[in-house]
Amino acid sequence: QVQLQESGPGLVKPSQTLSLTCTVSGGSISSGSYYWSWIRQPAGKGLEWIGRIYTSGSTNYNPSLKSRVTISVDTSKNQFSLKLSSVTAADTAVYYCARGPYSKGAFDIWGQGTMVTVSS
Amino acid sequence: DIQMTQSPSSLSASVGDRVTITCRASQSISSYLNWYQQKPGKAPKLLIYAASSLQSGVPSRFSGSGSGTDFTLTISSLQPEDFATYYCQQSYPPGHFTFGPGTKVDIK
Repeated sequence: QVQLQESGPGLVKPSQTLSLTCTVSGGSISSGSYYWSWIRQPAGKGLEWIGRIYTSGSTNYNPSLKSRVTISVDTSKNQFSLKLSSVTAADTAVYYCARGPYSKGAFDIWGQGTMVTVSS
Repeated sequence: DIQMTQSPSSLSASVGDRVTITCRASQSISSYLNWYQQKPGKAPKLLIYAASSLQSGVPSRFSGSGSGTDFTLTISSLQPEDFATYYCQQSYPPGHFTFGPGTKVDIK
């Protein structure tokens, strides 16, 4: 059974770059027809899609974050990663990684989420 | 950008009640609409995809309907484990994803 696990620093200073990695276990990130996404949720608020990547390396980003976001994939490590630059307190949130089947336009498997706080 | 709204923002219901949540898109999204359930401190769980298809393993008391701009999620008989927040999410055009603001279902 495929599982996703986020990892990375829980505290990032303002203006720095937030970096997170999602490790896929129980299956190959390259098998099947899936895209791999990052989604975040500030405390007590709703969900915001950040972006997605295919194992080919093709990406789509949320227009509101596009100038600051880079998502990459390392198929040899069965991982994909998020970099968000020039962070502010508004980027404080729980960050989730998720899998999306091509056929559904949805996110069917999620990581447990990791809390990232932006503070000096 | 396509905006999503949900109504109500919260509701109180009793076990056994029939519950309906509405999601509306700012423009037509065909059937590119999904529903999630989220419990406190947990990741969202996919319930319904493509407006009306039940995700594997999800109880049949959950159903979805609609197309175009107006969609509904119905819980036919609310169970204790169904008290949670529900989000709709659109995926149109492909590569663009937006979530609704959520509907919190709590115990009356």
